[in-house]
Amino acid sequence: EDQVTQSPEALRLQEGESSSLNCSYTVSGLRGLFWYRQDPGKGPEFLFTLYSAGEEKEKERLKATLTKKESFLHITAPKPEDSATYLCAVVGTGTASKLTFGTGTRLQVTL
Amino acid sequence: KAGVTQTPRYLIKTRGQQVTLSCSPISGHRSVSWYQQTPGQGLQFLFEYFSETQRNKGNFPGRFSGRQFSNSRSEMNVSTLELGDSALYLCASQKQGVTTGELFFGEGSRLTVL
Repeated sequence: EDQVTQSPEALRLQEGESSSLNCSYTVSGLRGLFWYRQDPGKGPEFLFTLYSAGEEKEKERLKATLTKKESFLHITAPKPEDSATYLCAVVGTGTASKLTFGTGTRLQVTL
Repeated sequence: KAGVTQTPRYLIKTRGQQVTLSCSPISGHRSVSWYQQTPGQGLQFLFEYFSETQRNKGNFPGRFSGRQFSNSRSEMNVSTLELGDSALYLCASQKQGVTTGELFFGEGSRLTVL
């Protein structure tokens, strides 16, 4: 069974203070690892897809990386508007269209 | 371009009742998935429909069911509600038949069971 563990559960940063969120996974044949952002009262919003170890994707202040066992979401010089819950999910070769999500990291960025 | 629309946004039911939730996907999207989100468990996959056929199903009891119509709109039904069914139910759509992981989520239907 696919499993995703995210850490930390919650993270509080000051504006400009860079950090990383971790996503550890076990999956039978990784087809893709995905990062989503969820704001309170909203549905998750897609950020990145990573397919193979060594791959990196960037979007504004966010950079996602992937190894064979984990993924990191690096946040560089965050701003208050980056405050949200960040979710990681995987799809394995045996699970077709089913995404397995972690429970997320709640990020708060203060002035 | 209109996003994924879910109705109703909020509803309160009592134990033993049943509920039907509706989802209208983005125009042109043929795949609709449903997820249950709770504080302790996070997002858990319920089922996925593609071209009116259930293509995948999660580990939920038979009280949870769904269907998809020819216009790709989808409904999910929960019968004999239990307190533990209180959750945010999220619908997501995607265009392609094979998942790319790029799901477009609605804002969800928040169900409270008393």
